[in-house]
Amino acid sequence: DGGITQSPKYLFRKEGQNVTLSCEQNLNHDAMYWYRQDPGQGLRLIYYSQIVNDFQKGDIAEGYSVSREKKESFPLTVTSAQKNPTAFYLCASSMETGGREKLFFGSGTQLSVL
Amino acid sequence: GESVGLHLPTLSVQEGDNSIINCAYSNSASDYFIWYKQESGKGPQFIIDIRSNMDKRQGQRVTVLLNKTVKHLSLQIAATQPGDSAVYFCAERVSAGKSTFGDGTTLTVKP
Repeated sequence: DGGITQSPKYLFRKEGQNVTLSCEQNLNHDAMYWYRQDPGQGLRLIYYSQIVNDFQKGDIAEGYSVSREKKESFPLTVTSAQKNPTAFYLCASSMETGGREKLFFGSGTQLSVL
Repeated sequence: GESVGLHLPTLSVQEGDNSIINCAYSNSASDYFIWYKQESGKGPQFIIDIRSNMDKRQGQRVTVLLNKTVKHLSLQIAATQPGDSAVYFCAERVSAGKSTFGDGTTLTVKP
């Protein structure tokens, strides 16, 4: 089955701890994204990567870091500098075809602070 | 004159009725728009898209309308079913690789 796999589904962070959320895709898509979703709200872009070894900050990058060493993988680290990390995190990938670029999303990781 | 639909955070419809979900977008330069459906605890799923050089696009039971003059997008769902109950988001592509999402509308279908 082709798709986006996020793990873990639930994650708990202690104060001052860094945690890493995994995102893997086997769709052979060039672009990958991380979004944050707070209850009752839309998705806000954290980081995105259009090609391996390159990534750009989104609208709310502070307190987060990413890497894109492989086409298939785009892990997100939530650092201790992110003071309000509790949220639902969504990873997505896309490939543009004929001016159209739909996002394929994983099933998300719910991060909570202990 | 033409009326612009108001974005509502929630919408409740009777099974079998048609649903209209509205979205106002912000960037006149956006060239591509998508509607996504998100069920509880899951990631959003693609429903239908439209490029800025079109004003209407139809899919299976869904139609998207784009009014660039007033920067308004709508999603029409025909013969709404209980399985259509979800949160619906519109998204606009503001630049290469970067899409901005609206706040979402929660659709509840009453049997």
